[in-house]
Amino acid sequence: GAVVSQHPSRVICKSGTSVKIECRSLDFQATTMFWYRQFPKKSLMLMATSNEGSKATYEQGVEKDKFLINHASLTLSTRTVTSAHPEDSSFYICSAMVGTGYSNQPQHFGDGTRLSIL
Amino acid sequence: GQQLNQSPQSMFIQEGEDVSMNCTSSSIFNTWLWYKQDPGEGPVLLIALYKAGELTSNGRLTAQFGITRKDSFLNISASIPSDVGIYFCAGSVPPNTGNQFYFGTGTSLTVIP
Repeated sequence: GAVVSQHPSRVICKSGTSVKIECRSLDFQATTMFWYRQFPKKSLMLMATSNEGSKATYEQGVEKDKFLINHASLTLSTRTVTSAHPEDSSFYICSAMVGTGYSNQPQHFGDGTRLSIL
Repeated sequence: GQQLNQSPQSMFIQEGEDVSMNCTSSSIFNTWLWYKQDPGEGPVLLIALYKAGELTSNGRLTAQFGITRKDSFLNISASIPSDVGIYFCAGSVPPNTGNQFYFGTGTSLTVIP
């Protein structure tokens, strides 16, 4: 149980393109989903917290207009990188938390999206 | 955000050896998690700990929630080649931290056959 699917797994596109990444909880409902960026051999850096039915919460230094998040249902959150540039190239991972409200339930991760901007 | 100190940063061990790694925080947590990440994939949950002093096993893996609630340990017994990867700890204290978990800096494990 607690499977999270992230799509696409890899994207290569030209600078200036917008890229949408989907994060789905396949066998559970997730009120809260998280979006991370991970640099090579580094830990996970939280970018934003996605809450179903409300606005996402962005971490300090993250441009909300550049990384648009839509959490329209209890099983799907999408993140769109608008006008991507080479410095946005990275490994992005989403996670979903089982249950609703404040909880200490674990986050379950998708397999990540490798984004390469040329 | 807060980052947890994880040590060692990397380990190179012989197959069959036991492994120990730990995670420390300046803050108290009420939940500790341990994840393993293979290259190019997302982290996979190994063990979840919810109570100070709790000792939990998952096969050859054993993790403990420190009594001070500021640290946690992960042990792997009789390591095998598929144990290779990066291990992350994570801690939280909802609702103070919302539903956010803070992640450790990671321990890279290499098992030499």
